[in-house]
Amino acid sequence: AQSVTQLDSHVSVSEGTPVLLRCNYSSSYSPSLFWYVQHPNKGLQLLLKYTSAATLVKGINGFEAEFKKSETSFHLTKPSAHMSDAAEYFCVVSAFNDYKLSFGAGTTVTVRA
Amino acid sequence: GAVVSQHPSRVICKSGTSVKIECRSLDFQATTMFWYRQFPKQSLMLMATSNEGSKATYEQGVEKDKFLINHASLTLSTLTVTSAHPEDSSFYICSARAGDLGETQYFGPGTRLLVL
Repeated sequence: AQSVTQLDSHVSVSEGTPVLLRCNYSSSYSPSLFWYVQHPNKGLQLLLKYTSAATLVKGINGFEAEFKKSETSFHLTKPSAHMSDAAEYFCVVSAFNDYKLSFGAGTTVTVRA
Repeated sequence: GAVVSQHPSRVICKSGTSVKIECRSLDFQATTMFWYRQFPKQSLMLMATSNEGSKATYEQGVEKDKFLINHASLTLSTLTVTSAHPEDSSFYICSARAGDLGETQYFGPGTRLLVL
């Protein structure tokens, strides 16, 4: 079984400052890890994914995440927040060869002008 | 590439009626489609998994006679909410996975259902 814990339910940052969204996972097997973003009343958009290749994963819109097996973490970062980054972010895990996704509770990001 | 659409985007219906939601993979063949439900300010909950040409697999606690899922082709899955009641009001999101695109699921834009 796998699960995800997003450590912050809400993150507020000023425009132009770094963003850090924390995620810890639990998985019995080698996991695949994803970050998705959801804007209000919209579906989910894939930001990036880790599937046992490079541990530092670069995604769209300047986001990146680092897989740290020793810490069972997959934190999402962006060096400079933009107003358009205000949204809900989900950290997601699936086990190897299991296509079911387990979602974290989500982190709401607000960006102050 | 890997675009998933849903129709309708928003539907309001009377209690006791049935509502059909369509999920289509526009530029790839989806071997597996998933249906999720999302309550306000909450995460997504998987309702069922469907493979083309076979019966859907429902998650524990999801009534299969209430939420009928049909995956008749590699690009279309439908979710029918039968005899809808106000507590069925929610945001329903589908996703699709294609074997040749790996394990990534591509999500539709969601359907907002309001049952009066």
